[in-house]
Amino acid sequence: QVQLVESGGGVVQPGRSLRLSCTASGFSFNRHAMHWVRQAPGKGLQWVAVISYDGYNEYYTDSVKGRFTISRDNFKNTLYLQMISMRPEDTAVYYCARGNSVRVWMDVWGQGTTVTVS
Amino acid sequence: EILMTQSPATLSVSPGERATLSCRASQSVYNNLAWYQQKPGQAPRLLIYGASTRATGIPARFSGSGSGTEFTLTISSLQSEDFAVYYCQHYNDWPLIFGGGTKVDIK
Repeated sequence: QVQLVESGGGVVQPGRSLRLSCTASGFSFNRHAMHWVRQAPGKGLQWVAVISYDGYNEYYTDSVKGRFTISRDNFKNTLYLQMISMRPEDTAVYYCARGNSVRVWMDVWGQGTTVTVS
Repeated sequence: EILMTQSPATLSVSPGERATLSCRASQSVYNNLAWYQQKPGQAPRLLIYGASTRATGIPARFSGSGSGTEFTLTISSLQSEDFAVYYCQHYNDWPLIFGGGTKVDIK
């Protein structure tokens, strides 16, 4: 079945780096844009970044520009989020999600991975 | 940046009753709006896209309406599994923005 599985979360000190992964299965990964969305403890959803199906286009929310990089490996059916210079306010559950294009809704979500910056 | 405001923050409804949730955009997003449901400890689930099109497998009791700046999600007869938090999200421009959410709880 269609599935997204995130990994790589954990506890990291402020200023350090972390890389999240999201492995896709059950669909043609190389035909879909992919998003990262986060949710701070007890808070709402915040869109973080998106990458086009071919990896050529990326968009970010302002608060992570220059610190986070989204990328993908279509041979490995895997999405990544490289996070550097991390801040306590980056603490959240990070979800990967599928979109038909870069600027549309998200129709499939992973279960999330927890990142704590402390 | 287009801001999305949801109201009310909490809606108390009895099972079987109708629930009406609102989402307002700070400027027109045309019909570029989606609704999601999130239950505690779970990932969000897509309910509605294009302001009014139900996603695959979503029951007919969920309906979306509106365009421009005013949108509504209606749950015609609340079932026990519908008590959750609901988010709207626009995709009209960058950045993509979610509303703050409406929690639907049991009255």
